[in-house]
Amino acid sequence: DTGVSQDPRHKITKRGQNVTFRCDPISEHNRLYWYRQTLGQGPEFLTYFQNEAQLEKSRLLSDRFSAERPKGSFSTLEIQRTEQGDSAMYLCASSPLQETQYFGPGTRLLVL
Amino acid sequence: SQQGEEDPQALSIQEGENATMNCSYKTSINNLQWYRQNSGRGLVHLILIRSNEREKHSGRLRVTLDTSKKSSSLLITASRAADTASYFCATDGETSGSRLTFGEGTQLTVNP
Repeated sequence: DTGVSQDPRHKITKRGQNVTFRCDPISEHNRLYWYRQTLGQGPEFLTYFQNEAQLEKSRLLSDRFSAERPKGSFSTLEIQRTEQGDSAMYLCASSPLQETQYFGPGTRLLVL
Repeated sequence: SQQGEEDPQALSIQEGENATMNCSYKTSINNLQWYRQNSGRGLVHLILIRSNEREKHSGRLRVTLDTSKKSSSLLITASRAADTASYFCATDGETSGSRLTFGEGTQLTVNP
């Protein structure tokens, strides 16, 4: 257990539905990251926050994806109008500034 | 495309043997990190080596970094069945902000 928690751990949804994932980072960590991992691949960066500011977004993050980190604590990642291609493991990580990133257990999304 | 590329893609050894995995990357980096992932689980941080370091040890792990060749290796000595997992290298590039760029990983199987 790294101290980063994610909820839910598994989500099955139908195409076209909206889903929201939550990440609770290690409390003293300023930075929070979202990655996506498909089967047999390494994680791919989606976005990151420093405190409450979203500082960088990947081109992978289409306009159907939105992430927030209100008050610089937990973060949510929402996917609107899900597509089958969104099926993946969504990983959250946190770190103190530019150091080791500690990953949560992930949320596995299956879009039917 | 992923910056880090691990070699080999899969490695199968007997318990007690050493396992060596290699990683190559393309751009200048601040640091390189190695992670382990058991099937369907989150990533566990193993070791971080900075761009001005050449070698680092942690228990049965030894990591080397050659910035002139843009490559790193992870050596696990006296392997155990519990070391069976996927191993990823991830680079924190000088110009990539705080994002980690992962390779596709090496699947290590340690046979008892």
